[in-house]
Amino acid sequence: DTGVSQDPRHKITKRGQNVTFRCDPISEHNRLYWYRQTLGQGPEFLTYFQNEAQLEKSRLLSDRFSAERPKGSFSTLEIQRTEQGDSAMYLCASSLEPEGEGEQYFGPGTRLTVT
Amino acid sequence: QKEVEQDPGPLSVPEGAIVSLNCTYSNSAFQYFMWYRQYSRKGPELLMYTYSSGNKEDGRFTAQVDKSSKYISLFIRDSQPSDSATYLCAMSAWSFNKFYFGSGTKLNVKP
Repeated sequence: DTGVSQDPRHKITKRGQNVTFRCDPISEHNRLYWYRQTLGQGPEFLTYFQNEAQLEKSRLLSDRFSAERPKGSFSTLEIQRTEQGDSAMYLCASSLEPEGEGEQYFGPGTRLTVT
Repeated sequence: QKEVEQDPGPLSVPEGAIVSLNCTYSNSAFQYFMWYRQYSRKGPELLMYTYSSGNKEDGRFTAQVDKSSKYISLFIRDSQPSDSATYLCAMSAWSFNKFYFGSGTKLNVKP
């Protein structure tokens, strides 16, 4: 068990470009969450998957954002037509239910800078 | 009003002090409470979780929940310089579909 991994760790892109991030959860964890964190703030919930089904999505998530978890293992988060306001740390977390007690384990994050 | 309120600090204490970190919340549906530690430019690390009112102890850390007041606390005994980090509270309803985080309290433990 190597923990939650995220790739890339850093991404610099120009405004208007599309970017995609990947998250590999802890093996056999069936729940996967995406968060966004800006400087001085706590993580802000974006979306949640149970296995391959996307069950919750923040209304803050504009239609430029899309997430998938096609086989219930890794997940991708895509941002289309990036804007400077998208600059943030994007965090992924996973948990095991119902055996676990809801505790989430976070990856190291992907830091996005939009220039 | 935010779902979860947390004093951002910074909080500066001498080594060996007892630290008290707190969060308040407004949603009575929250039943599950967690504390995370986050070092600069790293992902949050789970410290403790609890789902009942009262105290839960783990080493130098004690988590306290008062559901009637919608108030949770984390106490750190014998604080060490290595405890210097940002501490985040988080909470969820039983569905665990969505977690709400406080904005974090930055702690500095001086040697």
